[in-house]
Amino acid sequence: GQNIDQPTEMTATEGAIVQINCTYQTSGFNGLFWYQQHAGEAPTFLSYNVLDGLEEKGRFSSFLSRSKGYSYLLLKELQMKDSASYLCAVMDSNYQLIWGAGTKLIIKP
Amino acid sequence: GAVVSQHPSWVICKSGTSVKIECRSLDFQATTMFWYRQFPKQSLMLMATSNEGSKATYEQGVEKDKFLINHASLTLSTLTVTSAHPEDSSFYICSARGGSVGETQYFGPGTRLLVL
Repeated sequence: GQNIDQPTEMTATEGAIVQINCTYQTSGFNGLFWYQQHAGEAPTFLSYNVLDGLEEKGRFSSFLSRSKGYSYLLLKELQMKDSASYLCAVMDSNYQLIWGAGTKLIIKP
Repeated sequence: GAVVSQHPSWVICKSGTSVKIECRSLDFQATTMFWYRQFPKQSLMLMATSNEGSKATYEQGVEKDKFLINHASLTLSTLTVTSAHPEDSSFYICSARGGSVGETQYFGPGTRLLVL
């Protein structure tokens, strides 16, 4: 079966760095997405990785290793507004998005 | 960036009535649109996938006669919840992809449905 694993919840301190991991097992691979979802709102797109390596976008970076079925989202200089759920999703061989359950990130002052 | 709108944002209706939710891609042509449902503190659940001009593909366990989807143009898809009941109360979110935005799905702001 297809499976996306990410931690349920993480806590970090304002100004610090946090890494949210995602491992996957899917039938085929056409890219991995990270989305941010604030409570009560719809997800917003953060990043897309299809090749191995690190993609940097401001305070957020996303890394992919296809051979390991592994990705992480790195958030630097954490701000209180970064408190949200972070969703990992993999596009399989049928171009269907397989969603992880999301990681709730709690930022403390 | 790609913008997807949804209307209405909030719906409160009586049990037994039908509710229509619109999803529009504002600055790109969406060849594929998706409808999700999310209950409080739970994951996104894909309900159906629709391609412009063809019938929607429903996920297992989603009643196609209850959740009618129409994707009549490259910028508009509608979800109609027919004969809504309190258990249909949820957060309904559409997303769209295709055209100039490629494979990335962009989400609408969601519609909160409360059935009394």
